[in-house]
Amino acid sequence: DTEVTQTPKHLVMGMTNKKSLKCEQHMGHRAMYWYKQKAKKPPELMFVYSYEKLSINESVPSRFSPECPNSSLLNLHLHALQPEDSALYLCASSQEASGVYEQYFGPGTRLTVT
Amino acid sequence: AQSVTQLGSHVSVSEGALVLLRCNYSSSVPPYLFWYVQYPNQGLQLLLKYTTGATLVKGINGFEAEFKKSETSFHLTKPSAHMSDAAEYFCAVSVLSGNQFYFGTGTSLTVIP
Repeated sequence: DTEVTQTPKHLVMGMTNKKSLKCEQHMGHRAMYWYKQKAKKPPELMFVYSYEKLSINESVPSRFSPECPNSSLLNLHLHALQPEDSALYLCASSQEASGVYEQYFGPGTRLTVT
Repeated sequence: AQSVTQLGSHVSVSEGALVLLRCNYSSSVPPYLFWYVQYPNQGLQLLLKYTTGATLVKGINGFEAEFKKSETSFHLTKPSAHMSDAAEYFCAVSVLSGNQFYFGTGTSLTVIP
């Protein structure tokens, strides 16, 4: 099974809402990633978890809060977002957090902030 | 530091023609190189990768790429374009000690019937 799943597929939320994005993989990968992607742009790295510990936070605003409850799950908690946060949010995983390993991407959550 | 340049943000080819998507990288240490494809409203799918060994790498869907160290390039080719190849293509570079990919800006491929 080489699949990364993400829920929900689409999410519309107001600027005062709290919501969460979920990501799951069952490949035994020990590194998981959150990316933000705007239309026609490459993915921008937000967070990297390695062995369930946060190893990279690319200066992401605190209104985005990641969580890695176990080695298979990755959440992104959203609070007080801005309209410019509307984007495709991609989760990925790799065998380990080393550049030699390819990353497997989920289908993404399309987020719209109103 | 690592970086990737993809020349040509838009490429159009006729169905059955050669596909050539360009990727040049900058890296101070031996790079690992990847090509990903993204279809509309989907995630990224790995086409192929170069880590070590043979410099000509074959991937899925008939694509291949050649690592040329002297030219710091990793261009993606396919002998005969198919309508289903229309998508966004991203080249990425990483290094052994690194824990992140550096993506190029992407190339949108259009296939003309």
